[in-house]
Amino acid sequence: SAVISQKPSRDICQRGTSLTIQCQVDSQVTMMFWYRQQPGQSLTLIATANQGSEATYESGFVIDKFPISRPNLTFSTLTVSNMSPEDSSIYLCSAYTSFQETQYFGPGTRLLVL
Amino acid sequence: GENVEQHPSTLSVQEGDSAVIKCTYSDSASNYFPWYKQELGKRPQLIIDIRSNVGEKKDQRIAVTLNKTAKHFSLHITETQPEDSAVYFCAASKGGSTLGRLYFGRGTQLTVWP
Repeated sequence: SAVISQKPSRDICQRGTSLTIQCQVDSQVTMMFWYRQQPGQSLTLIATANQGSEATYESGFVIDKFPISRPNLTFSTLTVSNMSPEDSSIYLCSAYTSFQETQYFGPGTRLLVL
Repeated sequence: GENVEQHPSTLSVQEGDSAVIKCTYSDSASNYFPWYKQELGKRPQLIIDIRSNVGEKKDQRIAVTLNKTAKHFSLHITETQPEDSAVYFCAASKGGSTLGRLYFGRGTQLTVWP
């Protein structure tokens, strides 16, 4: 199975600032995704991180607010820009391997915006 | 887009009893239906999944059934144990190249009393 790590694991940020979250997978994966999980809620897909091209965003999420990079098959970043308290959430990276046809999740980054 | 409904939101059972969680989906093109277990403060973990060419799948005490005509699928846990206590999420995806784009239900908090 793919092992996924995220940095930072948690952070407290001031409104108006930006935070970049890193996601590292221990093996090459077919696809990578970013999800958001607000406290006590379900998971919502933010975007698909495409290698070497612009991410594909879900309805309600835009590139200016959540720029995403994926420079290679094992690494991706999500930036939460111009943060407000409403951005307080857990951000999870996930990876899908076509070989195993299974999707794995990272441990998440807990973000609190004051 | 896909809309996944999940019921019940909370479920309490006695150890040894069975638990059933039900989900419905809206997009008839969806053909991949995973179930995730999330313990408090931890990442979601895949426990079982089913694809549209299969009506039922079992893995020890866990089973999932799928009714594509009615667009619903269910998770069955038999002989429940206290360690089964967690939040369970169903999800749906169109599969293929979009398999990792998962749309989640709101979750079911399962509590198993010893």
